[in-house]
Amino acid sequence: KNEVEQSPQNLTAQEGEFITINCSYSVGISALHWLQQHPGGGIVSLFMLSSGKKKHGRLIATINIQEKHSSLHITASHPRDSAVYICVCSGGGADGLTFGKGTHLIIQP
Amino acid sequence: DAGITQSPRHKVTETGTPVTLRCHQTENHRYMYWYRQDPGHGLRLIHYSYGVKDTDKGEVSDGYSVSRSKTEDFLLTLESATSSQTSVYFCATGTTYNEQFFGPGTRLTVL
Repeated sequence: KNEVEQSPQNLTAQEGEFITINCSYSVGISALHWLQQHPGGGIVSLFMLSSGKKKHGRLIATINIQEKHSSLHITASHPRDSAVYICVCSGGGADGLTFGKGTHLIIQP
Repeated sequence: DAGITQSPRHKVTETGTPVTLRCHQTENHRYMYWYRQDPGHGLRLIHYSYGVKDTDKGEVSDGYSVSRSKTEDFLLTLESATSSQTSVYFCATGTTYNEQFFGPGTRLTVL
């Protein structure tokens, strides 16, 4: 079973700061997702990646397959970025998804 | 995002009653999933489907059953609801098992 660890568990930062959330996993995967969940809200898929880097607006996701590590970066953070960010590793098969516990991010104005 | 709806969005029921939650998608996605989300546990897979009438159990399937008679609908049934099944339930779909598009969630309270 894949062990997925996210760090930090909680992060409070000031508006405008550069944010990094990390995800490490123990077993090789076919893809990794980053999800965003606002308080009391639904879950949005931000990225799905299997190699390299993807960028969408102020969000950047990278993955290093050899090191079994992924990072989610937020540039010029804004209070609306306050949410829980969840890393999900797909090891193959519909029941092969392993979810991280999430990182609670608060951006203060 | 994929067109995924869940109904009902909120439900309060009593212990021992049957409950059915519905997930409906308009994207013709092959894969559909039911998860529950609880504080301290994150998202956990209950059941999933890889096609019409093709379903299988996930990590926390005890007390739950599912059915998928049409591509667009995936039903989750609690035959006899218990307080431990109070949770937020999310449906997800995808064209491959790597994809995950989530529905808005259903908040279920079992008294």
